[in-house]
Amino acid sequence: DTAVSQTPKYLVTQMGNDKSIKCEQNLGHDTMYWYKQDSKKFLKIMFSYNNKELIINETVPNRFSPKSPDKAHLNLHINSLELGDSAVYFCASSQDFDRVRSGANVLTFGAGSRLTVL
Amino acid sequence: TQLLEQSPQFLSIQEGENLTVYCNSSSVFSSLQWYRQEPGEGPVLLVTVVTGGEVKKLKRLTFQFGDARKDSSLHITAAQTGDTGLYLCAGARGNEKLTFGTGTRLTIIP
Repeated sequence: DTAVSQTPKYLVTQMGNDKSIKCEQNLGHDTMYWYKQDSKKFLKIMFSYNNKELIINETVPNRFSPKSPDKAHLNLHINSLELGDSAVYFCASSQDFDRVRSGANVLTFGAGSRLTVL
Repeated sequence: TQLLEQSPQFLSIQEGENLTVYCNSSSVFSSLQWYRQEPGEGPVLLVTVVTGGEVKKLKRLTFQFGDARKDSSLHITAAQTGDTGLYLCAGARGNEKLTFGTGTRLTIIP
């Protein structure tokens, strides 16, 4: 069983469309994240949820809206897609947020969702 | 401002050679992690270092955390084609979120 699974793996869409990426983790972790990896492979955090509560919200356009129906799921909805949104989006989870801070725990990543906006 | 700079950005070497990649910052980190990312996959944790001067070994990989906890290095002995990938360091500072470095893309040539 995949620990962190995200769908779809590939998404090609037109500018202006709305799309969603789904993520599920079966590790029993309390905290989930969305990261964006650009063409230069730089990995930047977008959002983090701890037990369904938003705890990190980086400077991300309002067009991006995360939703966590329960602590095992964190979905990302993007409105009015723009060319610059093209990237690989990674979902990740950790046992809890404080442990990541202290270095005692680690991030488990999904395989990524490659979004291409035409 | 990029807190964690990795060097080199790209590295291609022959199988069997040794190599070292670096992760540097002007900031002090409470802990530092190294991840490897293969094409089409997410990053996978290799090691976490938390103590200044700490050295950890994972088979042919040796990780060192600087004494001042501002930098780290990864040394690979007798590189193999399976070592090919993107190596990312990530640091945690106090109560702040984990920050990833700029990455080193390593290619091992058979």
